[in-house]
Amino acid sequence: GDSVTQMEGPVTLSEEAFLTINCTYTATGYPSLFWYVQYPGEGLQLLLKATKADDKGSNKGFEATYRKETTSFHLEKGSVQVSDSAVYFCALRNTGGFKTIFGAGTRLFVKA
Amino acid sequence: GAVVSQHPSWVICKSGTSVKIECRSLDFQATTMFWYRQFPKQSLMLMATSNEGSKATYEQGVEKDKFLINHASLTLSTLTVTSAHPEDSSFYICSARETGTGEQETQYFGPGTRLLVL
Repeated sequence: GDSVTQMEGPVTLSEEAFLTINCTYTATGYPSLFWYVQYPGEGLQLLLKATKADDKGSNKGFEATYRKETTSFHLEKGSVQVSDSAVYFCALRNTGGFKTIFGAGTRLFVKA
Repeated sequence: GAVVSQHPSWVICKSGTSVKIECRSLDFQATTMFWYRQFPKQSLMLMATSNEGSKATYEQGVEKDKFLINHASLTLSTLTVTSAHPEDSSFYICSARETGTGEQETQYFGPGTRLLVL
């Protein structure tokens, strides 16, 4: 079945460091891909999405490119801030389906 | 943007009691709502898909008699945890899909309800 694998955390970075959180997926068809962020004690917020191959989703300095050849959707940010500390979930939703499949989540800590 | 609310945000109850959690889409209609459960430091696990006016579809391993779902209107779905036990303590999150926006549209997530069963 469809699945999402993302790098284990926690990831600890200093402020202004470069961030990469790896995400790969397994799916039939042509899924849409998402990154969600969850701040402590809160629900999920959509961070960015891409609906087809080579699309780049971007928001708040974060970006991810839908790579069909490598089945990946890695999240990147050039300069992280303390306020980016949160858990990041990679997810997919396949064509014809309503279910969203989530990765395990990667916790990010950013130190001042 | 679209907003989904949940009530209550926090609930503490005694073992054996039932707890009802509401999920509302505030500014849009949602034919389909989803209920997820999240254990500490883990990912979201889909429990069931709730369709307005029909029975919910439960994921494998989720007890439908334990977790009662009602989707009585296009803006409200409820999850009732019946005869709650300490192992039901968790963070419950709902999400809603806006009616008529197509299958690839984003789901909007509620803020979650933290349940603690003593």
